[in-house]
Amino acid sequence: QPVLTQSSSASASLGSSVKLTCTLSSGHSSYIIAWHQQQPGKAPRYLMKLEGSGSYNKGSGVPDRFSGSSSGADRYLTISNLQSEDEADYYCETWDSNTRVFGGGTKLTVL
Amino acid sequence: EVQLVESGGGLVQPGRSLRLSCAASGFTFDDYAMHWVRQAPGKGLEWVSGISWNSGSIGYADSVKGRFTISRDNAKNSLYLQMNSLRAEDTALYYCANSNQWFGELFGWGQGTLVTVSS
Repeated sequence: QPVLTQSSSASASLGSSVKLTCTLSSGHSSYIIAWHQQQPGKAPRYLMKLEGSGSYNKGSGVPDRFSGSSSGADRYLTISNLQSEDEADYYCETWDSNTRVFGGGTKLTVL
Repeated sequence: EVQLVESGGGLVQPGRSLRLSCAASGFTFDDYAMHWVRQAPGKGLEWVSGISWNSGSIGYADSVKGRFTISRDNAKNSLYLQMNSLRAEDTALYYCANSNQWFGELFGWGQGTLVTVSS
């Protein structure tokens, strides 16, 4: 089954941009993933689905500041014009046969 | 708007059982696969189990296989998780979530129900 690897933490300044990475394990580089945001004390929120081609579809109400891209086994979430409310944990997710997996999550701090 | 409301959590002793429920509204329930995802205190997300729209496909994480049973009642727009032989490591916030297809991303999340396994 696939494994998703994420950096444990990232930080960026208010108003700047940040690019978070989710890496698919060997043999699974073509997989589609999804990005989810979890603000402190809240339930996760679906952000987008991201294909290996770099094509992405965002969930309802997700700001234009959020975008996705791909390169090989890497899937990226870019947040532009960082706002304080973007400080959250970000998880990637994928699925295969009768299972699905999450990455370990990246804790984003907005400075 | 998708609404998923979990219930049934609580404090339970190791080895005992608990049944979680998820009430769905705002979408055509039997058009979607449903899932349970949990989050232990201070930890990341872990998929627990999923069930397709017609219960034809069901999957479990290795950590719960043989102890947990997922089911759904499309007439009642409800999802269930029967948890038996509970262990301390099952302590977590349990979320209900849906996906468009069995092979598809989770796009709707509930607020979660807390399960604490402790003597």
